[in-house]
Amino acid sequence: AQRVTQPEKLLSVFKGAPVELKCNYSYSGSPELFWYVQYSRQRLQLLLRHISRESIKGFTADLNKGETSFHLKKPFAQEEDSAMYYCALRRRAGTALIFGKGTTLSVSS
Amino acid sequence: KAGVTQTPRYLIKTRGQQVTLSCSPISGHRSVSWYQQTPGQGLQFLFEYFSETQRNKGNFPGRFSGRQFSNSRSEMNVSTLELGDSALYLCASSSTGQASYEQYFGPGTRLTVT
Repeated sequence: AQRVTQPEKLLSVFKGAPVELKCNYSYSGSPELFWYVQYSRQRLQLLLRHISRESIKGFTADLNKGETSFHLKKPFAQEEDSAMYYCALRRRAGTALIFGKGTTLSVSS
Repeated sequence: KAGVTQTPRYLIKTRGQQVTLSCSPISGHRSVSWYQQTPGQGLQFLFEYFSETQRNKGNFPGRFSGRQFSNSRSEMNVSTLELGDSALYLCASSSTGQASYEQYFGPGTRLTVT
């Protein structure tokens, strides 16, 4: 069965510092991977997906199949990045989206 | 486009009772997924409905059931409520084809079981 692990429940950084939110997955095939974000008092929303290989709000994520990881990175954290971040996986289109337990990112000045 | 709506937003029930939650997807979306969110377990997948058929199912007991109507609206039912069912229940809808990768979430229904 597929599984998503986010080892950190809370990550606290100062404004301007680099950020790396870790995500590891277990699945023998080639999954689709996503990062979702939930800002305070807002709905959960898609941040980015590995296929698009784009940068959203300064965040990027690279799929490392050898290490089965999909870490989310940003070179310079901003206070508005403070939120709950979820890594998610699905085997292919039409299958269930499986989430990790989430990491709270707190950026302070 | 109006977003995903869920009713009711808050619910308090007693152990042993049953509850029905409702979700209206974004217009044109045929897939509706349900999740249970708790502080300890995060987001856990319950089930997904597509064109009135359950397409995927998570690892929840049979007390949790759902259905989808011809207009894509979906309901989730929990029978014989337990204290551990207290959670935020989220539904999400998605489009089909190339755009099916993105799920749009509702605000959730906060269920408290006493």
